[in-house]
Amino acid sequence: DVVMTQSPLSLPVTLGQPASISCRSSQSLVHSDGNTYLNWFQQRPGQSPRRLIYKVSNRDSGVPDRFSGSGSGTDFTLKISRVEAEDVGVYYCMQGTHSWTFGQGTKVEIK
Amino acid sequence: QVQLVQSGAEVKKPGASVKVSCKASGYTFTSYYMHWVRQAPGQGLEWMGIINPSGGSTSYAQKFQGRVTMTRDTSTSTVYMELSSLRSEDTAVYYCARELRYFDWLDAFDIWGQGTMVTVSS
Repeated sequence: DVVMTQSPLSLPVTLGQPASISCRSSQSLVHSDGNTYLNWFQQRPGQSPRRLIYKVSNRDSGVPDRFSGSGSGTDFTLKISRVEAEDVGVYYCMQGTHSWTFGQGTKVEIK
Repeated sequence: QVQLVQSGAEVKKPGASVKVSCKASGYTFTSYYMHWVRQAPGQGLEWMGIINPSGGSTSYAQKFQGRVTMTRDTSTSTVYMELSSLRSEDTAVYYCARELRYFDWLDAFDIWGQGTMVTVSS
């Protein structure tokens, strides 16, 4: 099974400051169809997960442009350019190239 | 609008089975696969399996093989996830989420259900 490892697991941030979450996979996520199926999700307290980013760097409709995704192969990053109060929650990466597996989650909180 | 509406919370005894439903609306039911994901209290997300509502074919995570069954009813645009031989470790929120397969890529987990809490307790 592909293991997804996120870091850090806890991320205290100051409002208006940037934040970055790393996600590493145990195998390359380049699919035989040429796509890289790496998604990012946000889960606010008490809510269902919400997809933010699909295929590494494509932002979903309605997602603020302060969220961006990057990476390739086995190393991926989610960046928030300026953290806002509504960004508090847990962020998960997920791969869909070799079946489906999630990272452990990164809890973002305001300092 | 597009939505997935799941059935209500359940409380079951160890050894029993539970069947959770996920009703789709706002899109063509048979055009989208459906995943099931669960989340134990305070824990992360765990993929359980997927069903193709068009033909009914399924694929399950190895961990749940033999204990999970996913079915669908096209007349009501509803998919079901049944988990048997329940134990306390199965206490979790269970989510459905859809997937669209284009000819050259797949678009998965864009829409999620609201979740169904299943509590297993004697």
